[in-house]
Amino acid sequence: EAQVTQNPRYLITVTGKKLTVTCSQNMNHEYMSWYRQDPGLGLRQIYYSMNVEVTDKGDVPEGYKVSRKEKRNFPLILESPSPNQTSLYFCASSFMTSGVNEQYFGPGTRLTVT
Amino acid sequence: QKEVEQNSGPLSVPEGAIASLNCTYSDRGSQSFFWYRQYSGKSPELIMFIYSNGDKEDGRFTAQLNKASQYVSLLIRDSQPSDSATYLCAVNNNDMRFGAGTRLTVKP
Repeated sequence: EAQVTQNPRYLITVTGKKLTVTCSQNMNHEYMSWYRQDPGLGLRQIYYSMNVEVTDKGDVPEGYKVSRKEKRNFPLILESPSPNQTSLYFCASSFMTSGVNEQYFGPGTRLTVT
Repeated sequence: QKEVEQNSGPLSVPEGAIASLNCTYSDRGSQSFFWYRQYSGKSPELIMFIYSNGDKEDGRFTAQLNKASQYVSLLIRDSQPSDSATYLCAVNNNDMRFGAGTRLTVKP
């Protein structure tokens, strides 16, 4: 089954404790992206990657890191989480075909930082 | 700042009516445009995309794009209670920008 998976689905952590949220897709998509979703603010892009070893900042990259060492995986790293990073996080992936970018989303990771 | 604007709603329509959802964007370099549906607590799912001016129809859904006016809309014909969700407009120019969404309620 074609899908985007994220782990963990739920995470409660404390300020300053490094964490990684994994994202994996099995559709051989070039493009992968991370978003956070907050009430009233919609989806905001954190980082995106157009292919292996190619990453770029989105709208709200501060406090986050990513890497793209393999095509299927795109982990999101919070080196020193803070309470303002409490949010619902989505990973998404797509082909890059003729400029069209139909993204498929993972199930989401709800992160709480206390 | 590149912006995507949507009326947050809620938009309420009776079952069987046409629901009209609107979106404006500020980045004239935007290349492709998307409508996603998001049920509460779930991830967004793609309904339609459009990248040429004009209309694109898929079943009960029609997307309309006017690049000169920087405007994209989604029409849902014969609205059903199962269409009740938040609809997200997204605009792509390498980076994807989403509107905050319009909450639609279809009343039986």
